[in-house]
Amino acid sequence: KAGVTQTPRYLIKTRGQQVTLSCSPISGHRSVSWYQQTPGQGLQFLFEYFSETQRNKGNFPGRFSGRQFSNSRSEMNVSTLELGDSALYLCASSWTGTNYEQYFGPGTRLTVT
Amino acid sequence: SQQGEEDPQALSIQEGENATMNCSYKTSINNLQWYRQNSGRGLVHLILIRSNEREKHSGRLRVTLDTSKKSSSLLITASRAADTASYFCATDDGGNTPLVFGKGTRLSVIA
Repeated sequence: KAGVTQTPRYLIKTRGQQVTLSCSPISGHRSVSWYQQTPGQGLQFLFEYFSETQRNKGNFPGRFSGRQFSNSRSEMNVSTLELGDSALYLCASSWTGTNYEQYFGPGTRLTVT
Repeated sequence: SQQGEEDPQALSIQEGENATMNCSYKTSINNLQWYRQNSGRGLVHLILIRSNEREKHSGRLRVTLDTSKKSSSLLITASRAADTASYFCATDDGGNTPLVFGKGTRLSVIA
């Protein structure tokens, strides 16, 4: 069974630009969660989508948004990038939600200059 | 919101020794999970223990949960160099609320 895939793996953007990251969950998984990981703040929850609906949202500004498609693939978008958005962005999928085992992708390393 | 806090922050041991990491949390939980992360990569699920369980085993891993002390421990027996990684605990309080991760313990196993 194919694992969770994330594209692109690495990205360099300039302040003020926007970026879209993509996540393909394991086949059959309906829940996709996104996390931001930085050395200072650790792993912070961004949002979770389940069956195309945002079910939970973390404490991030409105510049961070996401969506989920009917095939469970998910995208997250960050507009007006700031230096502090440099991080490893991880997505995770599971059958039904966060109280089950989460399968993580390899992450997208975003660097904002 | 609750958050797991791992202890110690870093641990260095010799191959073959046992490694113990602890996690404390603040409020009642539904489940507690442990994950491993190799440098700069995705997390790998190790064990999920439910609030009504006290101990679980998986291979060389043993997890205990003490809900009265709001703490959990992860024991890795007979450690190997390949166990070198960061280890995180994560908790949820039920109802598909978001997982909250601790800052992690960085384990180095020296061959």
